[in-house]
Amino acid sequence: DTAVSQTPKYLVTQMGNDKSIKCEQNLGHDTMYWYKQDSKKFLKIMFSYNNKELIINETVPNRFSPKSPDKAHLNLHINSLELGDSAVYFCASSLRTGGYEQYFGPGTRLTVT
Amino acid sequence: AQTVTQSQPEMSVQEAETVTLSCTYDTSESDYYLFWYKQPPSRQMILVIRQEAYKQQNATENRFSVNFQKAAKSFSLKISDSQLGDAAMYFCAYRRHNTDKLIFGTGTRLQVFP
Repeated sequence: DTAVSQTPKYLVTQMGNDKSIKCEQNLGHDTMYWYKQDSKKFLKIMFSYNNKELIINETVPNRFSPKSPDKAHLNLHINSLELGDSAVYFCASSLRTGGYEQYFGPGTRLTVT
Repeated sequence: AQTVTQSQPEMSVQEAETVTLSCTYDTSESDYYLFWYKQPPSRQMILVIRQEAYKQQNATENRFSVNFQKAAKSFSLKISDSQLGDAAMYFCAYRRHNTDKLIFGTGTRLQVFP
């Protein structure tokens, strides 16, 4: 059973399009995260949600909007995609907020052409 | 602001040998956690080992151990009896106590030769 899953695993799209990446965790965790790993493998946190409430919001363009319909899901919607958005996006979850171990999903490789 | 530095972009080791990956960090906090994550070609981020800053004893997980030097702000990972499956990117990461923000280093690519 996959603990943290993401769909799709690969996403190729053109500049200007709008796309979403879905994340689901079946661990019963309260807190979920989105990380971005750029072409140089640098990994940086973007957002975190705790029980559907936004907790961490790093300096991310407004074109990125996380949505949490329930605490098991955290989707990432990206508007007006740009070439620089090409990256691997990781979802993660932890039991709750306040410094618990984070479990990562397999990542979604987004390529913007 | 906290930063994590991995000064070795690439390392290589022969199978069955030992290799040490370096990590230094900068923080003014006294209570924090340090981690090593492994990212194989499958992209999955796997937690290898973690160290609580308040613990003097170095963490160990089977063939993986750390050398935690709090005063020097150094946190190296030693892999003993290296195996082909250890080949991956290794990321050092820092998290302040009671926070969720993981700060990663730039990674070290480890190659293992038979």
